[in-house]
Order: sequence, then structure tokens, then C-alpha cells
Amino acid sequence: GIQVEQSPPDLILQEGANSTLRCNFSDSVNNLQWFHQNPWGQLINLFYIPSGTKQNGRLSATTVATERYSLLYISSSQTTDSGVYFCAVELSAGTASKLTFGTGTRLQVTL
Amino acid sequence: DTEVTQTPKHLVMGMTNKKSLKCEQHMGHRAMYWYKQKAKKPPELMFVYSYEKLSINESVPSRFSPECPNSSLLNLHLHALQPEDSALYLCASSQEWGLAGVQETQYFGPGTRLLVL
Repeated sequence: GIQVEQSPPDLILQEGANSTLRCNFSDSVNNLQWFHQNPWGQLINLFYIPSGTKQNGRLSATTVATERYSLLYISSSQTTDSGVYFCAVELSAGTASKLTFGTGTRLQVTL
Repeated sequence: DTEVTQTPKHLVMGMTNKKSLKCEQHMGHRAMYWYKQKAKKPPELMFVYSYEKLSINESVPSRFSPECPNSSLLNLHLHALQPEDSALYLCASSQEWGLAGVQETQYFGPGTRLLVL
């Protein structure tokens, strides 16, 4: 099956710092999403981004589909950004369509 | 409204109990999903329902029995679970499933934390 690796696995930032999270995947994908899982377990959609660049406030994401990676940028981090960030990819549409989650990046933002 | 609700939030059950997890969405989505997430691991797909029909079963043991009574509701019936089944169970929904060219953003509920004793 498709392999989805995220780096770094753990990240500690001081409030106000910027960071870049990376997601590498082993095959061409039909769908790529970034999620934030807060400390209570809720998974929150950040971006649907199978290719290109999107921005939403302090967050932006870029997927380079031909090179099989995606980046999530967090600027001016806040303590509420703490949690685990997952990318998830879908290999293809049709009867085999399913979302496979990456290994996750655990982010802690300190004061 | 992009809300998926799940009940209960927490559940403790013995290995001989029967219980059910419930999930509801009112976004008109036609695809619904169950995921299992162990501590410090990513979510793993268990089942996919599309138009109220089971489309994917990821070789899940029969002690987990999904049910989709209508397009808004998804249940997961639990029977004779093992302690290793303790996990966070997440429900999700999307507009469609498996259609090429269709944006299939999945929206997740808050999850049910299950502890099997």
C-alpha cells in the first residue's frame, strides 16, 4: 500500500515562531488533506490540497504532486496550535478509494 | 454547518457487554466512515458506507458490526470486545465517495473513547 511519512515527528516551538511540516508519499494521489488533531482528539480539516498552494490565515499549504510531497506552514504560532498534524492521502477514486493517514507531527507551542 | 456528532463521548465496557456507538451528520453527505485510532498512532479506516451500503470493510473482526439505518446515521455495534480494542473511535462523512474529480473532504466527529476491561 501507499506509504505516507511525515517529518519531523515531534516539534517544540516558542509562541510566535514559524514552522514547516512535511508530508512525503510514495505514489500518485487523488486527494490530500491536512488535519489538526487537538489534545481532546477532534480532527479538524485544515486544507484539501491535492496540488498547488492554499492559504488560510496563519496557515498555508503547498503540494507538489509530481514530486510526491506536501508542506504545511504555520506562521506566528500560538499555544492553540498545539496538537498533532496529520496529512492524509487517497490513492485513487473508485472501489479502492480510501484515505491513508501519515505518521503525524506532534507540535507543542510554549509560552 | 460542518458538524458530525458522536455519542457517547466516553464508554467503558466489559468483554461480555454489548454496546453501540452512534454517529450523525446533517450535511446531506452520502458517504460515512468509521476509523479506529490507538494512542499515539494515526487513524485507521475500518468501514466505508456509500449511499447506505457497505462499500469497504478493512478486514475488521466480526465483533465490530456497522449499521447505516439512513443517510444521516451510522452505528457501530460492539460485542465481546477485547482489551486491545480500547481506542478512540472516529466517525467521518464526506459528500461522496469514490468518484473521480469530486472533492471528498472528510469531516470528522469528536470521537468516542472506548475502554474495554
